[in-house]
Amino acid sequence: RKEVEQDPGPFNVPEGATVAFNCTYSNSASQSFFWYRQDCRKEPKLLMSVYSSGNEDGRFTAQLNRASQYISLLIRDSKLSDSATYLCVVPETTGTASKLTFGTGTRLQVTL
Amino acid sequence: DADVTQTPRNRITKTGKRIMLECSQTKGHDRMYWYRQDPGLGLRLIYYSFDVKDINKGEISDGYSVSRQAQAKFSLSLESAIPNQTALYFCATGREAPYNEQFFGPGTRLTVL
Repeated sequence: RKEVEQDPGPFNVPEGATVAFNCTYSNSASQSFFWYRQDCRKEPKLLMSVYSSGNEDGRFTAQLNRASQYISLLIRDSKLSDSATYLCVVPETTGTASKLTFGTGTRLQVTL
Repeated sequence: DADVTQTPRNRITKTGKRIMLECSQTKGHDRMYWYRQDPGLGLRLIYYSFDVKDINKGEISDGYSVSRQAQAKFSLSLESAIPNQTALYFCATGREAPYNEQFFGPGTRLTVL
């Protein structure tokens, strides 16, 4: 299994739709997880952090299933401005050292 | 002002040239990272540093070197650039465990001819 695996998409959805992305990870010791958003040719920007079972921020909800080792991101009431690539990110922690492993991203295109 | 800055933002160079990419941050984080991004491959870690005296190789360090001049500055060098080093390069700073979030600079687009 890849360390972090995402469906590359693209997901094409109309404005107002609800869309969900899944991400699976292989490191069962990981404690915190992230979703980043990346616009074309721009830097990744932190969207949500997930430290326990889930997190909600406005239209965005992230959920964690440790038993099955997957993380999901739900976007409700999609906006045109949500069009971007969404990166699932899993830390690899050894003692106090930490590195992030990035998924290759899921592309979302929201249309009129 | 941006918390993480990178210079240059774009660079075209020739095979065999030495090039340095610079990164500065005002976030006060001890941890800094260099990544490259290629289409379809995602972000790959080149080098990382947890403080001024600490330098670690990432998964693709061959052909690269780094210097951590101060807490706020972390430079990436390509000793002898080759065309397959053409990529988008990102610098990032990071919080310590258990948080681990990283914050990225705007990137440097490097083309090696």
